[in-house]
Amino acid sequence: AQSVAQPEDQVNVAEGNPLTVKCTYSVSGNPYLFWYVQYPNRGLQFLLKYITGDNLVKGSYGFEAEFNKSQTSFHLKKPSALVSDSALYFCAVTDSSYKLIFGSGTRLLVRP
Amino acid sequence: SQTIHQWPATLVQPVGSPLSLECTVEGTSNPNLYWYRQAAGRGLQLLFYSVGIGQISSEVPQNLSASRPQDRQFILSSKKLLLSDSGFYLCAWSVPMGGEQYFGPGTRLTVT
Repeated sequence: AQSVAQPEDQVNVAEGNPLTVKCTYSVSGNPYLFWYVQYPNRGLQFLLKYITGDNLVKGSYGFEAEFNKSQTSFHLKKPSALVSDSALYFCAVTDSSYKLIFGSGTRLLVRP
Repeated sequence: SQTIHQWPATLVQPVGSPLSLECTVEGTSNPNLYWYRQAAGRGLQLLFYSVGIGQISSEVPQNLSASRPQDRQFILSSKKLLLSDSGFYLCAWSVPMGGEQYFGPGTRLTVT
């Protein structure tokens, strides 16, 4: 069965420091992987995806994610965090079917 | 460009009352459509998805139903609301082959 794990409920970083939000997955076949961000009382916004190709994927707002097949991970990264990056982040996976399986979410708090 | 609308934005309903939430998509044809519920600002639960008019798949047996009367319209309904139906309801769409989903702004439902 497909599953996604986000092991950290919350990640705290100082503004200007690099950030990493972790995600590991379990899926049969070739995974399609996604990151979304959610601000309070808003819908989810698509950040980036990995389908195939380069393991480093660049997305919106300066975010990037690294696909690691051997570690079955897809961690979200940003070189320099902004206070405005504070939000709830979701990792998701599919095996190319219609449905996405979402992780439980990680709250990112960036301190000024 | 594509846009997705949901209404109402917020709703307070008494237990036992009916429910109708609407979602419409503009700028695309034959999308896959999805209803999710998010409880306590965290994990997403897929409720229903649809790959075409009149085609509804239910993921979780519950007090809710969904309908797709038109290509770009998706409706979530209930005949009698329960307290446990409270939550943040999100509609999403994707292209017919699946992949990333794009979310609407959500409806906050409080059942009293």
